Amino acid sequence: DAGVIQSPRHEVTEMGQEVTLRCKPISGHNSLFWYRQTMMRGLELLIYFNNNVPIDDSGMPEDRFSAKMPNASFSTLKIQPSEPRDSAVYFCASIFASGTRRVNEQFFGPGTRLTVL
Amino acid sequence: AQSVSQHNHHVILSEAASLELGCNYSYGGTVNLFWYVQYPGQHLQLLLKYFSGDPLVKGIKGFEAEFIKSKFSFNLRKPSVQWSDTAEYFCAVFIYNQGGKLIFGQGTELSVKP
Repeated sequence: DAGVIQSPRHEVTEMGQEVTLRCKPISGHNSLFWYRQTMMRGLELLIYFNNNVPIDDSGMPEDRFSAKMPNASFSTLKIQPSEPRDSAVYFCASIFASGTRRVNEQFFGPGTRLTVL
Repeated sequence: AQSVSQHNHHVILSEAASLELGCNYSYGGTVNLFWYVQYPGQHLQLLLKYFSGDPLVKGIKGFEAEFIKSKFSFNLRKPSVQWSDTAEYFCAVFIYNQGGKLIFGQGTELSVKP
């Protein structure tokens, strides 16, 4: 398995532009997470999906942020319009949590480094 | 609300010194516990995990952690650190609530001086 795949790896854009980050989780995993990492705030959970359904989006900073998971193998995180303070590394992660209360490790993608000028 | 607290923001050690990084969580239900490491410029990688059984778990690169349920703690230890251990360390707790989610601490940056 190629692991969690994210694209693009780097994104530089101007303030006001729309940004779309993409994630392909590991096949068979049933939960997907979007994190943001900055020097100031550390690692923040933005939103997570279980079986493609958004469960908790309380970490999404503003209405400018939205996330979708149309199927088990693809998710997007969109920022519209983008602002300089959105500059960060955005990680996608996936995990398989079984019904018997046992979970394997959460696998992280390589991240997308976003710079908003 | 559930949370994970790491006691130290930045730890500086000399090579061969012993390491202990504190981690406490607040959640009364069943949890799985993890320590992740993030080397400079890389994504998070698993160091070790606790599901059940022996509360002392051993991970990669000589790291170990002890789960003390009564203290809601999962401290990370290494008897003798190396320069290559310089990284950021994250404690994480998986809670079985609404499909399950992993909650991370704020991270501890470890700098090891050669």
